[in-house]
Amino acid sequence: QSVLTQSPSVSGAPGQRVTISCTGSSSNIGAGYDVHWYQQLPGTAPKLLIYGNTNRPSGVPDRFSGSKSGTSASLAITGLQAEDEADYYCQSYDNSLSGHVVFGGGTKLTVL
Amino acid sequence: QVRLVQWGAGLLKPSETLSLTCAVYGGSFSGHYWSWVRQSPGKGLQWIGDVNLGGNTNYNPSLKSRVSISVDTSKNHFSLRLSSVTAADTAVYYCAVKDTVGYYFHYWGQGTLVTVSS
Repeated sequence: QSVLTQSPSVSGAPGQRVTISCTGSSSNIGAGYDVHWYQQLPGTAPKLLIYGNTNRPSGVPDRFSGSKSGTSASLAITGLQAEDEADYYCQSYDNSLSGHVVFGGGTKLTVL
Repeated sequence: QVRLVQWGAGLLKPSETLSLTCAVYGGSFSGHYWSWVRQSPGKGLQWIGDVNLGGNTNYNPSLKSRVSISVDTSKNHFSLRLSSVTAADTAVYYCAVKDTVGYYFHYWGQGTLVTVSS
């Protein structure tokens, strides 16, 4: 059971916009800690996609954007492309016994 | 550009100790935490723990009694040891660089599949 909750799957057609949500609690996202997002292509290591809620590392297309409000955060992908099909994970910091670093359970994005 | 290359035994028997090492190329140890994250087959990511340049460590409470993470700055290596492994420890283990302010993982190693089986 992950500390951060994500929907198991989401899908969209090429060119469409999809959002992936991440819900936490008062000991992590709601406490003001930043949310970060990772993309994991099949058989590869996760790759940092969004850090500090809204920031994109160099090289990440601006089709990817992040937001945060209250105890939740969202990752939006616009202009969906076939190569976006991957697992997406949110991550934050938790100040309870859950541990310092916590992840969501991951969302599988399928491009139809 | 920082590159992480990891290695270690991929097949263990129950009760043995898992040992993995990660080498850091193209970067400095200072200003970051050097971390381990694992992913059980078909499952999500779990943070194991990390160490900084000064040898200060943080561990996931659920693994703390069995985990040890250390750093060898002379070799630009850091290592993970997990004792008394069981089948539940079967996973792909990743080393990663964690930002000390934002607590996000900039860079990741290639991953090592560790299987625990009798």
